[in-house]
Formats: sequence, structure tokens, C-alpha cells
Amino acid sequence: EAGVAQSPRYKIIEKRQSVAFWCNPISGHATLYWYQQILGQGPKLLIQFQNNGVVDDSQLPKDRFSAERLKGVDSTLKIQPAKLEDSAMYLCASSLLGLATGELFFGEGSRLTVL
Amino acid sequence: AQSVTQPDIHITVSEGASLELRCNYSYGATPYLFWYVQSPGQGLQLLLKYFSGDTLVQGIKGFEAEFKRSQSSFNLRKPSVHWSDAAEYFCAVGAVGTGANNLFFGTGTRLTVIP
Repeated sequence: EAGVAQSPRYKIIEKRQSVAFWCNPISGHATLYWYQQILGQGPKLLIQFQNNGVVDDSQLPKDRFSAERLKGVDSTLKIQPAKLEDSAMYLCASSLLGLATGELFFGEGSRLTVL
Repeated sequence: AQSVTQPDIHITVSEGASLELRCNYSYGATPYLFWYVQSPGQGLQLLLKYFSGDTLVQGIKGFEAEFKRSQSSFNLRKPSVHWSDAAEYFCAVGAVGTGANNLFFGTGTRLTVIP
């Protein structure tokens, strides 16, 4: 079974530029999460989708971050314009039925460096 | 509000020695508790989980954890550490509510294994 796919693995941009990350979850997984992991910290939820609907985006900085999951499968997270403090690992995770099944499957992440 | 505390930022153990990583949580109801492991530059992998029932749970790679409600703890243990166990370990509590089901992570404990 293929895991959660993310791209790009690494991205370096200058502040005020834009960047987009892509995630393809495990086939059949209805729930998709984007987490931000700043160096030395645990992952923090940015947004959660159930199929193509947003369940929780309360921690998403909506003035610069946006995310979509148009067809209920893959998802894109965008940052525009980027700030220095956005330097982090962006982790995508998917789950068959959310926490009811007990496990989130994580991708390898996309590491962003903002200069 | 949910929160997780991992009081040890960094632990060093000798190969073959026993290991205990501490985790304390704050949650208003019966928690869903998880331990994840993250190797450098990689995503997170589930080691074990606790939902209910037996308070001693077994996981992969020889790890186990014990849920102690009276102490609000969910410490991770391994009787004999291998060099390949060197990684970052994250404790997480699951917030299960109407719609939103996601994980709150601690700040992690980095494990170094010396020969």
C-alpha cells in the first residue's frame, strides 16, 4: 500500500514570495491533515479536511495560508506571502476515519526555508 | 484545553540499557493517547496507542507504554535500547469531538544512543 506522498521535499524561498505544497493521501482515506512543525517543536495542526470539506482551520493563518482539497483526494497548501517565521516542516497526514481508527499516517514532509 | 508535556528535551542512553520517556497530558475526558517516532528528516510513525481497556499497551519495535490516570501520564518504555532507536519521540493526545478529530503533540524528546 502506497503511503502519503508529499512534494516538494525541500523548498527555499525569500520572504514575501509564495510557495505551494502538495499532498496525496493514502487511497480511500477520507480525512486529511496539514501540520506545521517548527524546528524543536511538535507538529501543530493547521487544517483538517473530511473528504473535500474543511473540518477545522482554526489555527490556519488565513491572511497568508490557504489550503484546498477540491476532489476529496489530494490537497494543496499555499503560503503567500511567506514570512521568516514560516520556516518549518509541513507534514501531511491522512486517516481512514480520523481518530476513530486510531492512527494518522504521515508523509515525509516538505521542509520550507524562508530567507 | 488539551495539552501534552514532555519534560525531557534530550535523553542519552547506552545501547542495551533500558529507556523511559515521560509524558504528561491534560484533557477533560478520557484521552486517546499516542506515541509517535520521527527519524531525522522523516515523517512520523505510530509506535502505539491507548484508547481504553488494559492500561499497559504494547507497540512496535519492542516499545510499551502505561496509562496512569491518577498521574495523567503515559510514559513510554523499552527494556533494551538498540542504536536504531535514536530518533525524536512525540507523545500526543487525541481530541475527539463533533467533527474535529486531531492530535495535540508534545514538544518531543530526542533520544541519543551511545555504543
